[in-house]
Amino acid sequence: EAGVAQSPRYKIIEKRQSVAFWCNPISGHATLYWYQQILGQGPKLLIQFQNNGVVDDSQLPKDRFSAERLKGVDSTLKIQPAKLEDSAVYLCASSFFQHRYSPLHFGNGTRLTVT
Amino acid sequence: DAKTTQPPSMDCAEGRAANLPCNHSTISGNEYVYWYRQIHSQGPQYIIHGLKNNETNEMASLIITEDRKSSTLILPHATLRDTAVYYCIVRGPTNRDDKIIFGKGTRLHILP
Repeated sequence: EAGVAQSPRYKIIEKRQSVAFWCNPISGHATLYWYQQILGQGPKLLIQFQNNGVVDDSQLPKDRFSAERLKGVDSTLKIQPAKLEDSAVYLCASSFFQHRYSPLHFGNGTRLTVT
Repeated sequence: DAKTTQPPSMDCAEGRAANLPCNHSTISGNEYVYWYRQIHSQGPQYIIHGLKNNETNEMASLIITEDRKSSTLILPHATLRDTAVYYCIVRGPTNRDDKIIFGKGTRLHILP
């Protein structure tokens, strides 16, 4: 099966600019996650979708971050405006909802550098 | 916060078994133990998970103590490609508990 696809692979922007990341999960996977991974740390959950509904966005900085999952398939994560501390790898993951304990499958992430 | 404790780093000789420990002393009866690994510049990769019994698949074995307060991931014949950060995660059974929270993991170095 094809894996989780993310683009772009790398992005460099200046602070106060906006940026968007795209994720295409594994076909049939109803649950989608966005994680932020700062260098040297484990991934931190930003938001979790079940189909096109938000399950958990408690750690999403909503003043600057937004995410959507139209039609319950692809998802985009946006940052506007970006800050220096947003420099990180943004990981998308998906899992098959019906199997409650099914593992997460991750993409290779988008590395964001804010200058 | 992560519910697990792992050593920050470990070394293992190539060809030997790598044993990675994880402490999860506050685990509840219906929580699963999951292991993922992250190779440099890649996303985390699922390895194995278990509840009570020991588990084995083509990648590794998972040994969970009888009291379930700790576990060990075993890579039977480590190769250089096993160099990665290994994450041990406790995952709850309900929607409310279904958060996969990563700690800092164990950085495993396989030595040639």
